[in-house]
Amino acid sequence: SQTIHQWPATLVQPVGSPLSLECTVEGTSNPNLYWYRQAAGRGLQLLFYSVGIGQISSEVPQNLSASRPQDRQFILSSKKLLLSDSGFYLCAWTLGLEADEQFFGPGTRLTVL
Amino acid sequence: GQNIDQPTEMTATEGAIVQINCTYQTSGFNGLFWYQQHAGEAPTFLSYNVLDGLEEKGRFSSFLSRSKGYSYLLLKELQMKDSASYLCAVKDSNYQLIWGAGTKLIIKP
Repeated sequence: SQTIHQWPATLVQPVGSPLSLECTVEGTSNPNLYWYRQAAGRGLQLLFYSVGIGQISSEVPQNLSASRPQDRQFILSSKKLLLSDSGFYLCAWTLGLEADEQFFGPGTRLTVL
Repeated sequence: GQNIDQPTEMTATEGAIVQINCTYQTSGFNGLFWYQQHAGEAPTFLSYNVLDGLEEKGRFSSFLSRSKGYSYLLLKELQMKDSASYLCAVKDSNYQLIWGAGTKLIIKP
């Protein structure tokens, strides 16, 4: 069966510090991978998605970046965090763009102070 | 622009029935999804509609009218564990999910 992991679960970082969040998927090959951010009481905002190694599409211009160094690994990074980067970060995967369902990881709660 | 509208919050009584509405305006349509999200947790998939009509899954049903840009999620025999946010999402012409802000459902005994 497929499993998706995210870490860390919670993170408190000062403004201006760097960020690295990792997501890995087990039990499947060549998944589509997604990074979302959810602000308190809001819907999910798509940040990045990837259909393969080294292929990253950005949906929203901001100080975040993403990389996919391996087939089942997706990393979200920032060189300098802003207060507005606080939120709940979710990684998700699907098999193909036409898949019926996205499967989510447990999420990372990021607080920038 | 693309827009998904759903009520911010609803309250219902344990054992009752509740209907959560969702209206959408998107560039293209490749299906509508309902997810459940408990506080502090990731969303979990509830239902998927791509054709007009009603899809039933146990206590939960989801309805779609593409001509009206409208869907609803119907929850029957409400239980306390159904207290959660319910997110409506539409897959657009680029096969990306556009998400509503979610409806927080409060169940009272």
